[in-house]
Amino acid sequence: KAGVTQTPRYLIKTRGQQVTLSCSPISGHRSVSWYQQTPGQGLQFLFEYFSETQRNKGNFPGRFSGRQFSNSRSEMNVSTLELGDSALYLCASSFGQGMIQYFGAGTRLSVL
Amino acid sequence: ILNVEQSPQSLHVQEGDSTNFTCSFPSSNFYALHWYRWETAKSPEALFVMTLNGDEKKKGRISATLNTKEGYSYLYIKGSQPEDSATYLCAFTRQGGKLIFGQGTELSVKP
Repeated sequence: KAGVTQTPRYLIKTRGQQVTLSCSPISGHRSVSWYQQTPGQGLQFLFEYFSETQRNKGNFPGRFSGRQFSNSRSEMNVSTLELGDSALYLCASSFGQGMIQYFGAGTRLSVL
Repeated sequence: ILNVEQSPQSLHVQEGDSTNFTCSFPSSNFYALHWYRWETAKSPEALFVMTLNGDEKKKGRISATLNTKEGYSYLYIKGSQPEDSATYLCAFTRQGGKLIFGQGTELSVKP
């Protein structure tokens, strides 16, 4: 059974640009969550999608957005990048709310 | 603001030592408590999901307990091995809510 796949693995952007990250969940999982990890901050929840609907949102500015497609694949978009957006972005999928989350390898974003 | 606190922040033990970590979370409207292990250069991997007060889970040398009334969970590792070196994360959720992670406990086991 294939795991959670995130692309790309690494990304370098400059301030002001926008970026789109992709996450393919484990087959059969309908819930996809996104997290940001920065040194000293731990895993910060961005948002959760279930069956194409955003179910929960973290405390991030509107520059961070996401969506989920009918095949449960999800994308996360960050517009007008800032230096502070440099982080590891992790995606996790699960069968449903509160259930075990399976994480992808992450996308490491560097904003210069 | 919902806070999940983990202690200690880091721990250095010798191979063979037993160790334990604490996770504190809000006790109201509890739904589930998760434990994950995150090894360097890998993805976080689930250890346990606990939902009932008094739950005890075991996986090999690792076990966890849950007290939802007072809002804490303990993770125990018996006879630590170098391969146990990792960051251990706990995460709390209320029904319908998001998963809120603690900062983690970084464990280093020296041979």
